[in-house]
Amino acid sequence: AQSVTQLDSQVPVFEEAPVELRCNYSSSVSVYLFWYVQYPNQGLQLLLKYLSGSTLVKGINGFEAEFNKSQTSFHLRKPSVHISDTAEYFCAVSDRMASYDKVIFGPGTSLSVIP
Amino acid sequence: ETGVTQTPRHLVMGMTNKKSLKCEQHLGHNAMYWYKQSAKKPLELMFVYSLEERVENNSVPSRFSPECPNSSHLFLHLHTLQPEDSALYLCASSAIGTTFGGGELFFGEGSRLTVL
Repeated sequence: AQSVTQLDSQVPVFEEAPVELRCNYSSSVSVYLFWYVQYPNQGLQLLLKYLSGSTLVKGINGFEAEFNKSQTSFHLRKPSVHISDTAEYFCAVSDRMASYDKVIFGPGTSLSVIP
Repeated sequence: ETGVTQTPRHLVMGMTNKKSLKCEQHLGHNAMYWYKQSAKKPLELMFVYSLEERVENNSVPSRFSPECPNSSHLFLHLHTLQPEDSALYLCASSAIGTTFGGGELFFGEGSRLTVL
């Protein structure tokens, strides 16, 4: 069965500093990888996704992630964070079952941006 | 109206009450999901409906009863809940049978449930 690991449960970072949130997944023949963001008292919103093609994926709000098959990683990065980036970030892997999309979520990383 | 809408946003109920959570999607998707999000725990998949048929039930207690009357609506009926059932309940939808999107889920804003 697929699994997702997010090594950092909490990441504090100063405003305008770069940040990397780490994600590792269990190996599979083919994977679809996602990063979702959850702001306080809201649902999850897609930041970016890797389906195939270029290993560097760009998403919304200046975030990007790099798919590394050999290391089974999909780390999320942003060169300069803002206060508004304070949120919970979830890495996820999807198995496209015949009848539904089985999405496995990591435990989440809480990003706190310090003024 | 677009996206996935959940009502109510907040619900407080006693252990003997019966209440329902409602989810509606306006995306033309054909699969809908209920997730439970508790503090300090990963998201738990509860139920999946695909083409209005239940295809996944992850050992959820019978005090939770889902209903999917059509591809746009999903309900979660709640009966004699326990305090440990207090959580954020998230509804999501996806478009199965397509390659576009690769399994992306579209979430509602959630219903925050408190059981007293």
